[in-house]
Amino acid sequence: NAGVTQTPKFQVLKTGQSMTLQCAQDMNHNSMYWYRQDPGMGLRLIYYSASEGTTDKGEVPNGYNVSRLNKREFSLRLESAAPSQTSVYFCASIVGRWNTEAFFGQGTRLTVV
Amino acid sequence: QQQVKQSPQSLIVQKGGISIINCAYENTAFDYFPWYQQFPGKGPALLIAIRPDVSEKKEGRFTISFNKSAKQFSLHIMDSQPGDSATYFCAAKEGLRGSNYKLTFGKGTLLTVNP
Repeated sequence: NAGVTQTPKFQVLKTGQSMTLQCAQDMNHNSMYWYRQDPGMGLRLIYYSASEGTTDKGEVPNGYNVSRLNKREFSLRLESAAPSQTSVYFCASIVGRWNTEAFFGQGTRLTVV
Repeated sequence: QQQVKQSPQSLIVQKGGISIINCAYENTAFDYFPWYQQFPGKGPALLIAIRPDVSEKKEGRFTISFNKSAKQFSLHIMDSQPGDSATYFCAAKEGLRGSNYKLTFGKGTLLTVNP
């Protein structure tokens, strides 16, 4: 049972390069989220997808795009990477209307130079 | 604006001591309050959670205290152990339209338990 799988685990980009972070979950959850984690800033929501076919902006969406490819997969794209996007990115799959639980992937450590 | 305020940012406790982390919120639409624990190099994982109709919930050495009128909740770790050293996040959930919902996290507290 893999849970939430993120790829890649590490990435170094040059300023202006583009890349896509992949996330897949095998728990049949409707909701998937992308967070970034920076020292002293906690987990900040970038985008979320409450169900297949829908996406919404979170707290810090600028510079990112997302695609909910199907129920399992939710990707995050950086079109033109900037040093300010250096961060650890977490994908989460969330379930439960009342006792809500988020299942996180292992994270992608991205460095933009 | 920061919807869930967490303090302290870091905490050092001796083995066997009590660790206390506090969170406050403003949005009265929040209806579920979980705590997550994160070890270095790993994603956060659910530790314990509470609903606002309950004032306290205890699971082993971990207790959540909830004060609805003050819009505050806290995590208490009794008999803290070096293995508890991690980053702790409080969170709050609000329902969105339909059956959808959103989790908002605090900034985290880095707990170090010295042997």
